[in-house]
Amino acid sequence: GGIITQTPKFLIGQEGQKLTLKCQQNFNHDTMYWYRQDSGKGLRLIYYSITENDLQKGDLSEGYDASREKKSSFSLTVTSAQKNEMAVFLCASSIWGGQDTQYFGPGTRLLVL
Amino acid sequence: GDQVEQSPSALSLHEGTGSALRCNFTTTMRAVQWFQQNSRGSLINLFYLASGTKENGRLKSTFNSKESYSTLHIRDAQLEDSGTYFCAADGYGSSGNKLIFGIGTLLSVKP
Repeated sequence: GGIITQTPKFLIGQEGQKLTLKCQQNFNHDTMYWYRQDSGKGLRLIYYSITENDLQKGDLSEGYDASREKKSSFSLTVTSAQKNEMAVFLCASSIWGGQDTQYFGPGTRLLVL
Repeated sequence: GDQVEQSPSALSLHEGTGSALRCNFTTTMRAVQWFQQNSRGSLINLFYLASGTKENGRLKSTFNSKESYSTLHIRDAQLEDSGTYFCAADGYGSSGNKLIFGIGTLLSVKP
């Protein structure tokens, strides 16, 4: 088994601020993902990475940067936080980019004042 | 339009009863995953199916790729089954395992 950890659990930011969220997995999975979940909605893919130093855009990449520093970690940056923004950011990983189960972390809850 | 249509959006069950959730896909999907999101917001893996039917305890899921739908059956519902259930489909032609999520079914199980 393995685990995905996300830090921080809660993030309060100011409008215009650059905010970074971190994700670590010890599954030794190749592929990692960042999703955004808004209240009452499903998840939408922001970025994913199929190996170290790889980056692929999802449907919601505008306004975000990502970095796959090493196989076990994948970070997401909100380049300029939007006022009153409130969402949960979920990190996931899977063995590789083929047909395989994705496992999710507990999420980072963002609130922008 | 939406590629994954999930229904119902909300469902209320009494303990011990059962029901089914459904996802229809507007394009051919190669696999589907079902998740339960609990009150803490964690997504718990329930099933991954490329075809056919899988069963785990009181849950059973079917994926029919030819007819483009998947179902999740819950029987003998318990209070701890409450939460939001998501289906997520993996489409053909995508690099990486890009999941397309339904909007979720909010399940409330009552005594």
